[in-house]
Amino acid sequence: DGGITQSPKYLFRKEGQNVTLSCEQNLNHDAMYWYRQDPGQGLRLIYYSQIVNDFQKGDIAEGYSVSREKKESFPLTVTSAQKNPTAFYLCASSTGLAGVFQETQYFGPGTRLLVL
Amino acid sequence: GIQVEQSPPDLILQEGANSTLRCNFSDSVNNLQWFHQNPWGQLINLFYIPSGTKQNGRLSATTVATERYSLLYISSSQTTDSGVYFCAVAAWDSNYQLIWGAGTKLIIKP
Repeated sequence: DGGITQSPKYLFRKEGQNVTLSCEQNLNHDAMYWYRQDPGQGLRLIYYSQIVNDFQKGDIAEGYSVSREKKESFPLTVTSAQKNPTAFYLCASSTGLAGVFQETQYFGPGTRLLVL
Repeated sequence: GIQVEQSPPDLILQEGANSTLRCNFSDSVNNLQWFHQNPWGQLINLFYIPSGTKQNGRLSATTVATERYSLLYISSSQTTDSGVYFCAVAAWDSNYQLIWGAGTKLIIKP
């Protein structure tokens, strides 16, 4: 089945540690996105990528980094510079044919990150 | 920047009831999407609806872009409809992106 997978489902981070969240899609989509969701709130954009080897910052990119070396993969690293990383992280993708944010986005199941 | 407001923030209904969820936005937008997030966090796109009306089974949505609002109708609610409903608009804020409302939390009681 085509879809988006995220791993792990839960992730615990110690102070000063970098952690990487995985996002993989087999939908053959060009565009991929990372969002952060805090309790009781909507989503906020961290990074997005329209094509391999290219990515753009969203509103809350500070303390995060991404790479897009393969079309199907868009990992997110939460660095030690992100002082309040506890949140629910959602990865999404879209075809890219109509332009980013101009078309339906499909979401993975999410990763819950907790700081120890 | 553009504001996206959803109402009501919470809604509790009995199974079988109908409901209307509202999304207001403060400026012109290029498109609007409705999403459902289930209690386990999975987000599903319901409608991509920059204007006009669309229907999908028991759900329908209407966007009146000139008056800057959209409505999501749920008829004959089922317990599986529970969760949070978000609207998101594509517009220029600090950059071009989807701007999300805070959601309407819907609980359907059996």
